[in-house]
Amino acid sequence: NAGVTQTPKFQVLKTGQSMTLQCAQDMNHNSMYWYRQDPGMGLRLIYYSASEGTTDKGEVPNGYNVSRLNKREFSLRLESAAPSQTSVYFCASTSRASQPQHFGDGTRLSIL
Amino acid sequence: QKEVEQNSGPLSVPEGAIASLNCTYSDRGSQSFFWYRQYSGKSPELIMSIYSNGDKEDGRFTAQLNKASQYVSLLIRDSQPSDSATYLCAADNTNAGKSTFGDGTTLTVKP
Repeated sequence: NAGVTQTPKFQVLKTGQSMTLQCAQDMNHNSMYWYRQDPGMGLRLIYYSASEGTTDKGEVPNGYNVSRLNKREFSLRLESAAPSQTSVYFCASTSRASQPQHFGDGTRLSIL
Repeated sequence: QKEVEQNSGPLSVPEGAIASLNCTYSDRGSQSFFWYRQYSGKSPELIMSIYSNGDKEDGRFTAQLNKASQYVSLLIRDSQPSDSATYLCAADNTNAGKSTFGDGTTLTVKP
């Protein structure tokens, strides 16, 4: 049972580079989320997808884009990375709102 | 004002004591509430969910919800060193389709 799988687990980028963080879930969940977590902080919602075919901005969407590729996959793209985007990124999924979320192991991203 | 606020912490208790973690929320549309535990360097994992006023017990954990006061708490009885972690409170607004998380309270249980 893989649950929520995130790739890569670690990444170092230079300022201005672009990259895509991948997330896939095998639980047939409808809703998927991308969060960032800075040291000593809680989770801040970047974007979410309540169902296949929809995406919405969260609390901190600037500098990011997302794609809900299909029901299983939800990717997060940094078009031009900035040092302020250095963080740990978590993907999560749930069957529907009002149910708890299942988290991936996270991607630790450093931008120099 | 943050939508979900937790005790600033850190919280330190001796082994065997009761740890009390508190959370308040501002969105009256919130209907579901969750406590997640996050060990250092790991991802959050669900430990309790609560949906209606009152207490919900699961082993050494008790969640309490008071919607009138917009207050959620988590009690950990007979605290163990393995309970040392950051505890995240989350409030879920079904209509909005998303949860809002607090900043977490770090608990240390000293042997």
